[in-house]
Amino acid sequence: GQQVMQIPQYQHVQEGEDFTTYCNSSTTLSNIQWYKQRPGGHPVFLIQLVKSGEVKKQKRLTFQFGEAKKNSSLHITATQTTDVGTYFCADEVGTYKYIFGTGTRLKVLA
Amino acid sequence: DVKVTQSSRYLVKRTGEKVFLECVQDMDHENMFWYRQDPGLGLRLIYFSYDVKMKEKGDIPEGYSVSREKKERFSLILESASTNQTSMYLCASLAGTRTGELFFGEGSRLTVL
Repeated sequence: GQQVMQIPQYQHVQEGEDFTTYCNSSTTLSNIQWYKQRPGGHPVFLIQLVKSGEVKKQKRLTFQFGEAKKNSSLHITATQTTDVGTYFCADEVGTYKYIFGTGTRLKVLA
Repeated sequence: DVKVTQSSRYLVKRTGEKVFLECVQDMDHENMFWYRQDPGLGLRLIYFSYDVKMKEKGDIPEGYSVSREKKERFSLILESASTNQTSMYLCASLAGTRTGELFFGEGSRLTVL
């Protein structure tokens, strides 16, 4: 079946540094969603990307969908301690069926 | 405000016990999901339901069953719990009118001894 891999698995950054997580698939992605899970919390929806090459921004977060729809990325500019958590991508592989990536755990050192 | 409520945050059960995990949503969503979350594996789909009494297997349904008798409630059942089912279980719901965001509950951490 389809696998959605995320890299890196872990990332430690100094506060103020940038951070990027990548979501890669062996097959064409349909609709990519990104979620954030704070430590001890549950995943919370951030954004959805649908179109090839799409770029969306939310303040310091930039989300990108690859031209070939085989990958997606989330970039955080000038990380803050509030960015700590695990970031997941998810692909809609069937009607209402979502497959999640393995996640990237971000730690921000003050 | 949207709410997905899971009945138990923490459970400890013994091998062979029957376990019920309950999930209730107050958003009148058609679709509900059960995922399990394990370190390094992300969230894996166990079962989902797109309507009352309807269910579909996800990627890892073995050892699990589900029940959806009412629209707002989706139950996950472990008929005979095993130690490899020790995990965090997350319930989610989704409106059926469009593809969009999943709303997750707080999670149920199950330990099987």
